[in-house]
Amino acid sequence: AQSVTQPDIHITVSEGASLELRCNYSYGATPYLFWYVQSPGQGLQLLLKYFSGDTLVQGIKGFEAEFKRSQSSFNLRKPSVHWSDAAEYFCAVLPNTNAGKSTFGDGTTLTVKP
Amino acid sequence: NAGVTQTPKFQVLKTGQSMTLQCAQDMNHNSMYWYRQDPGMGLRLIYYSASEGTTDKGEVPNGYNVSRLNKREFSLRLESAAPSQTSVYFCASSEYGSEPYNEQFFGPGTRLTVL
Repeated sequence: AQSVTQPDIHITVSEGASLELRCNYSYGATPYLFWYVQSPGQGLQLLLKYFSGDTLVQGIKGFEAEFKRSQSSFNLRKPSVHWSDAAEYFCAVLPNTNAGKSTFGDGTTLTVKP
Repeated sequence: NAGVTQTPKFQVLKTGQSMTLQCAQDMNHNSMYWYRQDPGMGLRLIYYSASEGTTDKGEVPNGYNVSRLNKREFSLRLESAAPSQTSVYFCASSEYGSEPYNEQFFGPGTRLTVL
């Protein structure tokens, strides 16, 4: 069965600093990969997704993620964090042979210091 | 276009009571999902419905039942609520088909407390 690990439970960065959130997955083949963001009291919103092709994908709100097959990783990055980026971030994998069953990581909570 | 809607937003139950969480989507999506979210545990799939007329168990189905009423609506029922079912419940939908990597769209959640 597939699994997703987000090693960092909580990250604090200063506004304007760069950000990298880590995601590692375990699966026999290359799955489809997603990053979602959840603002307090809200549902999840898709930031970006990877399914094939260019390993660097661009998403909304200035986020990007890089797929590294050799490391089974799909890390999320942003060059300059804004206070409004404070939220919880989830990495998810969807096996490319499965009927829609995604597996989510436990999430990383981002705090932004002024 | 409301996306995915869930009712109620909040609910408090006593142990042993039953209730149904409602979910509807207006995006004509084939697939719908129910998740629960607990602190530090991410989202765990309870049940999903790949298409109208089909349902399948997810990771944590015990204590729950679902009904895919039609293409739009997917309800989650707790027959006899237990304190362990205190959680935030999210419904989601996606257009699973020739492009299975389509994103899921989430509702705002139902915050359920079982006393």
